[in-house]
Amino acid sequence: AQKVTQAQTEISVVEKEDVTLDCVYETRDTTYYLFWYKQPPSGELVFLIRRNSFDEQNEISGRYSWNFQKSTSSFNFTITASQVVDSAVYFCALTSDNAGNMLTFGGGTRLMVKP
Amino acid sequence: DVKVTQSSRYLVKRTGEKVFLECVQDMDHENMFWYRQDPGLGLRLIYFSYDVKMKEKGDIPEGYSVSREKKERFSLILESASTNQTSMYLCASNKITGASYNEQFFGPGTRLTVL
Repeated sequence: AQKVTQAQTEISVVEKEDVTLDCVYETRDTTYYLFWYKQPPSGELVFLIRRNSFDEQNEISGRYSWNFQKSTSSFNFTITASQVVDSAVYFCALTSDNAGNMLTFGGGTRLMVKP
Repeated sequence: DVKVTQSSRYLVKRTGEKVFLECVQDMDHENMFWYRQDPGLGLRLIYFSYDVKMKEKGDIPEGYSVSREKKERFSLILESASTNQTSMYLCASNKITGASYNEQFFGPGTRLTVL
């Protein structure tokens, strides 16, 4: 069975602070895919990134960066110089070649960025 | 742009009523999914469909059924709504391309309240 754990249920920061959202995953498969989604107050999940298990390169996209470490089964997400518009619920998710098209989501982390 | 639309943003029904939630996607995606979202539990898969008239149970199919008569439309049916089905329902779709798993695109969600 696959599992995704987002231990931080809520994080509150002040604008311009850096913040890291943790994601720890469990899977027995060697080929798997990890995702981050953002859910703003409007409700629609927005895709942020996909990472394949065979590609451990970290990625940076503007103020967003992702740290994938297979040794610790983690796929953490950092927002640099946070802004109020970053306030949302963030979900980490996992699937694999043997998961039959099913995504397993973590419980989500609610990020509140205060001005 | 990929667009996934859901028939209602908010719905209030009474216990025992039959409820239909409709989802339409406009990008010719093969796969379509229904999730429910509850606080602290993330998104849990109810059913998904990989082709017209084809369906697979997800993690929590009990009390639900689905219908996919056309490729672009995927319906979730609550045969006899109960109060524990009060939740946010999210529809998603994605495309099959080769061996890789593509990100899912989500609709805005339907917040269902069963009284």
